[in-house]
Amino acid sequence: GDSVTQMEGPVTLSEEAFLTINCTYTATGYPSLFWYVQYPGEGLQLLLKATKADDKGSNKGFEATYRKETTSFHLEKGSVQVSDSAVYFCALSDQTGANNLFFGTGTRLTVIP
Amino acid sequence: DAGVIQSPRHEVTEMGQEVTLRCKPISGHNSLFWYRQTMMRGLELLIYFNNNVPIDDSGMPEDRFSAKMPNASFSTLKIQPSEPRDSAVYFCASRPTSGTGLIEQYFGPGTRLTVT
Repeated sequence: GDSVTQMEGPVTLSEEAFLTINCTYTATGYPSLFWYVQYPGEGLQLLLKATKADDKGSNKGFEATYRKETTSFHLEKGSVQVSDSAVYFCALSDQTGANNLFFGTGTRLTVIP
Repeated sequence: DAGVIQSPRHEVTEMGQEVTLRCKPISGHNSLFWYRQTMMRGLELLIYFNNNVPIDDSGMPEDRFSAKMPNASFSTLKIQPSEPRDSAVYFCASRPTSGTGLIEQYFGPGTRLTVT
């Protein structure tokens, strides 16, 4: 079945460091891919998405490129800030008519000043 | 838009009591999802509705859990009787109407349930 494997955390970085959180997926067909972010005490928020191969999603300095050949959707940011501290979830939509989301286990990022 | 609204934000109850969690989806969204989040199991889909009809409840852990959506603007998740292992954060999410090409889900702030 469809699934997402996400880099285990926690990840701790200094401010202005480069961030990569790895995400690979298993799916039949061509799912859409998402990154959600959960700030402390809040619900999940959509950070970015890509709906087909080679698409690049971007938002708030974060980027992820849909790589069909490596079945990956790694999240990157060139210079993290303390305010980026959160839990990041990779997700894919299934290919049934339901388009339900399968989430990874989440990666906790802490950025220290 | 106010976003997905959940109430209460926090609930503390004793084992054996009935718990009702409430959700108001974003107006115009026709799909609604209930999730449970715990440290051990991460984010789990419990049930989802399409046009107020339950489509898949295979994630509902036990018969103690039930969910309803009497109209397009309101849903409840009920646990009766509650047990300590039900302690978790419960999220409601909604999704825009199918056919729009928009498939991302919008999450509420969650209800943190503690059963003692």
